[in-house]
Amino acid sequence: GDSVTQMEGPVTLSEEAFLTINCTYTATGYPSLFWYVQYPGEGLQLLLKATKADDKGSNKGFEATYRKETTSFHLEKGSVQVSDSAVYFCALSDLDTGNQFYFGTGTSLTVIP
Amino acid sequence: GAGVSQSPSNKVTEKGKDVELRCDPISGHTALYWYRQSLGQGLEFLIYFQGNSAPDKSGLPSDRFSAERTGGSVSTLTIQRTQQEDSAVYLCASSSILAGTDTQYFGPGTRLTVL
Repeated sequence: GDSVTQMEGPVTLSEEAFLTINCTYTATGYPSLFWYVQYPGEGLQLLLKATKADDKGSNKGFEATYRKETTSFHLEKGSVQVSDSAVYFCALSDLDTGNQFYFGTGTSLTVIP
Repeated sequence: GAGVSQSPSNKVTEKGKDVELRCDPISGHTALYWYRQSLGQGLEFLIYFQGNSAPDKSGLPSDRFSAERTGGSVSTLTIQRTQQEDSAVYLCASSSILAGTDTQYFGPGTRLTVL
């Protein structure tokens, strides 16, 4: 069945460091891929998405490229800020399974000044 | 409304009591999802409604949990005979393929505490 595996946390970085959070997926069809973010005390919100192979999603300085050949959707940011401290969830949506969503377990990021 | 709303925002109950959690999805969204997020854990899928199709209940942890969606809009998640391990944040999300996007939009959640 479909699934998402993402890098275990927690991750602690200094401000302005480079961030990578790995995410790989398994899907029977051609899924859409997402990164959601949950800031402390808030609900989940969409960070970025990509709907087909080689698409790059980007938002707030974060980027992720849909790599079909490696079944990956790694999240990157060149220079993190304290305000990026949050939990990040990788997810996929597969219309072949009726638009069911599959989430990774989440990666907690803490950025220290 | 403009977004997904959930009520109550917080619920404290005693072990053994029944609780009902409500979700109002974005108007026109055909799909509705319930998840559970325990402290420090990821999202646990509970149940999924898509239009008039039979719901996918494969994530419900026990027969104490049930959900319904009336008129294809509002949904209620019911937990009977609550246990302390039911304490978590219950999240609702909606999406719509027909809207040209499969993005899920989340509500703020209901924090359930079972004493």
